[in-house]
Amino acid sequence: DIQMTQSPSTLSASVGDRVTITCRASQSISSWLAWYQQKPGKAPKLLMYKASSLESGVPSRFSGRGSGTEFTLTISSLQPDDFATYYCQQYNSYSLTFGQGTKLEIK
Amino acid sequence: QLQLQESGPGLVKPSETLSLTCGVSGGSISSSIYYWGWIRQPPEKGLEWIGNIYYNGSTYYNPSLRSRVTISVDTSKNQFSLKLTSVTAADTAVYYCARHVGQLVDYWGQGTLVTVSS
Repeated sequence: DIQMTQSPSTLSASVGDRVTITCRASQSISSWLAWYQQKPGKAPKLLMYKASSLESGVPSRFSGRGSGTEFTLTISSLQPDDFATYYCQQYNSYSLTFGQGTKLEIK
Repeated sequence: QLQLQESGPGLVKPSETLSLTCGVSGGSISSSIYYWGWIRQPPEKGLEWIGNIYYNGSTYYNPSLRSRVTISVDTSKNQFSLKLTSVTAADTAVYYCARHVGQLVDYWGQGTLVTVSS
């Protein structure tokens, strides 16, 4: 299986801050990476796919970069609605794997 | 609008079989574009992909669960199902059904909590 490692596990930030979450794959996954946002008690929601493509309806303050084994999700100016847990997921292989999650907390 | 709805027992006894069904509305499970699958999340933990199925019955499973998992599809009822055998407390989780575009998970059901306990 391809292992996905996110950092940090927890991130404290304020409204208006620019934040970046990193996701590393144990082997190259080209650009087959997605990012999801999950709020308590809710299903995850797709934010980004193919590393840098924004899902329809997702605000443009979200952006993704990377290829191969290292990827980032950046939120350019945090809004109150953005405080949630974020997961990366590789879909390069037929056995999909997720990162362990990054909880974005209000400072 | 697409809706995915999980259904099944919320409590399963250890060593028994967990069975869930996902009803699909607002779209056809027979579409050649999509796979349909299951993902789970133990309480306060991360996400684990279980497997998926194409409308023709082709399946892909998580290697760590493959020996215990069966995913099946019923195109006549526009639904698909999950069976997980020999469950233990470690299988307690919220189980989500989900649509896959290729292998990208693009749409999730609301999830259903299944507790394994005697």
